[in-house]
This record gives sequence, C-alpha cells and structure tokens, in this order.
Amino acid sequence: NAGVTQTPKFQVLKTGQSMTLQCAQDMNHNSMYWYRQDPGMGLRLIYYSASEGTTDKGEVPNGYNVSRLNKREFSLRLESAAPSQTSVYFCASSEQGFTGELFFGEGSRLTVL
Amino acid sequence: GESVGLHLPTLSVQEGDNSIINCAYSNSASDYFIWYKQESGKGPQFIIDIRSNMDKRQGQRVTVLLNKTVKHLSLQIAATQPGDSAVYFCAERRGFQKLVFGTGTRLLVSP
Repeated sequence: NAGVTQTPKFQVLKTGQSMTLQCAQDMNHNSMYWYRQDPGMGLRLIYYSASEGTTDKGEVPNGYNVSRLNKREFSLRLESAAPSQTSVYFCASSEQGFTGELFFGEGSRLTVL
Repeated sequence: GESVGLHLPTLSVQEGDNSIINCAYSNSASDYFIWYKQESGKGPQFIIDIRSNMDKRQGQRVTVLLNKTVKHLSLQIAATQPGDSAVYFCAERRGFQKLVFGTGTRLLVSP
C-alpha cells in the first residue's frame, strides 16, 4: 500500500522556470493538501481540495496553482519559479477534511536558483 | 529534510527515560489538536490526537495532555527509544477546515 506518492523527490529550477509537482493517493481519500516546510516556519498550507472538483487557497497560495485531476491526484504548479519558493513541499490526504489523520507523502525538495 | 531542523529547539534524553515535549497554542477557540512525528527526510506521521473536551489521551507509549486554561499541549513518550529521535510537531485546528502547525521540537535519544 503506497499511501501518498509525490514526484519528483528533488528538483532544481532557475528563476522564471515552471514545473508541476505531482501527488497521488491510493487510500480513496476525499481531501488532499499541499504544504510547504521552511526552517523555523512549520508546515504552511498552500492549497487544499476538500473533495474532487473543489480547490481552496490556504495560507500561502501566491505563486502557485493547483489541479484536482481526479479523486486520486492533486498537482501543484509553479508558473514562474522564484528563489522564495525554495522549500520542501508535502502533499497530504485525509478521509474528509482536517478532522482526523492527515497522511503525508515523503516530500519534494525544490531549489530555485 | 536536513535543512528543516536548523533552528529548532532540541530535547536530548537518554534511552529509557521519559520525554516530555511541550507546545503552546494561540487560539482559545481551537477544538482539535494533533501531534506529528517527522523523521529526517520523511513526511510527518500522525502520533495521537485530542479534542478540546478531553484533558488527557493515551496511546501506545505516548500520552497527550491538554491544558486549556493556559493553552498548553504536551506529548509524553514513555521509555524513549533511539527510534523516537525525530522532530515532533503539534497542530491545532481553528474552525472546521484548517490545521495550523507549530514549528516543532527535535528529540535526540542517546543510547
């Protein structure tokens, strides 16, 4: 049982380049999330999708877009990467909303030069 | 990842000791709290949760205590093992949709 799978695990971009982080879960969860993790900042919510077909902004959505492709997949896109987006990105899923357990992926480390 | 923990408070204990990790939360309206464990290079992993109508909840080797008067949450780990070495985060829920995470505490367990 894979749980939450993120790709790629590592990526280096130049300022202005675009990329998409992919996330898939095999637990039949309704809700999915994208967080970023920076030193001393804790996990901050970028976007979330409470259910298939819906997406909402979190605390730090600027510079990102998301797509809930289907119930399993939730992608995060950086249209024009900036050095401030250097971070570790985590995708998570839960059965329904923020009540109960969030299952996290292994993370994607992104460096923007 | 390794760079995430650069500025974290650290608790160092000996194997077999009991560990207590503390967390202060800010919103008296928060009604749900979770503790997560994050090992180096991995994603956070759920440990235990507690709702605001409870003061204490026990799991396997872990206990969470909630003091709503002073807005304080603690995680107690009994008989700490080297495998418990990790960063521990508390999270609080404000409203129905958003979890807010603390910055974390690094636990180092020496054999």
